[in-house]
Amino acid sequence: GAVVSQHPSRVICKSGTSVKIECRSLDFQATTMFWYRQFPKKSLMLMATSNEGSKATYEQGVEKDKFLINHASLTLSTLTVTSAHPEDSSFYICSAATGTPGRDTQYFGPGTRLTVL
Amino acid sequence: QKEVEQDPGPLSVPEGAIVSLNCTYSNSAFQYFMWYRQYSRKGPELLMYTYSSGNKEDGRFTAQVDKSSKYISLFIRDSQPSDSATYLCAMRRTGTASKLTFGTGTRLQVTL
Repeated sequence: GAVVSQHPSRVICKSGTSVKIECRSLDFQATTMFWYRQFPKKSLMLMATSNEGSKATYEQGVEKDKFLINHASLTLSTLTVTSAHPEDSSFYICSAATGTPGRDTQYFGPGTRLTVL
Repeated sequence: QKEVEQDPGPLSVPEGAIVSLNCTYSNSAFQYFMWYRQYSRKGPELLMYTYSSGNKEDGRFTAQVDKSSKYISLFIRDSQPSDSATYLCAMRRTGTASKLTFGTGTRLQVTL
């Protein structure tokens, strides 16, 4: 149980294009999903918290107009990197929270490697 | 000072050794403590989840929390080469789906 998928697993795009990453909880419903970014040999950096049916909450320093998050259902959240540039190249990981509110646990997806040329 | 401190390693041990991984933290409001294992180019996998102080055992893994010292540990018995990965500690306060605060991760290498 508690499986989270991400699609695509890897994407290469040209500078200036937009890229959408999907995060799905496969066997549970998640009212809250999180989006992280991870640089090589570094820990996870939280970008935003996404609640179903409401606007995402972004961490300080994360551009909400650049990283668009949509949490359309209890099993799906999407992250769109708009007008991507080489500095946006990174490993993006989502997680979905399940369990009793206040005691819930995050389960992570396998990650999406984005390379912007 | 970071809220959560974790030695990045790398930590190299021979197969069969007992591994001790640790994190210290400064925020006394943290109540829930987790250990995740992350293989290269993969998402983190939840290993252990504990609440407040005490020990929890699951197979070869034991998690310890000492809230008085603000210190948590993960022990791996009979380590295997397949345990080679980065181990991340994470913690959070009580609250509705509150954020996790991660350590930097310790890279473990179990050699034959």
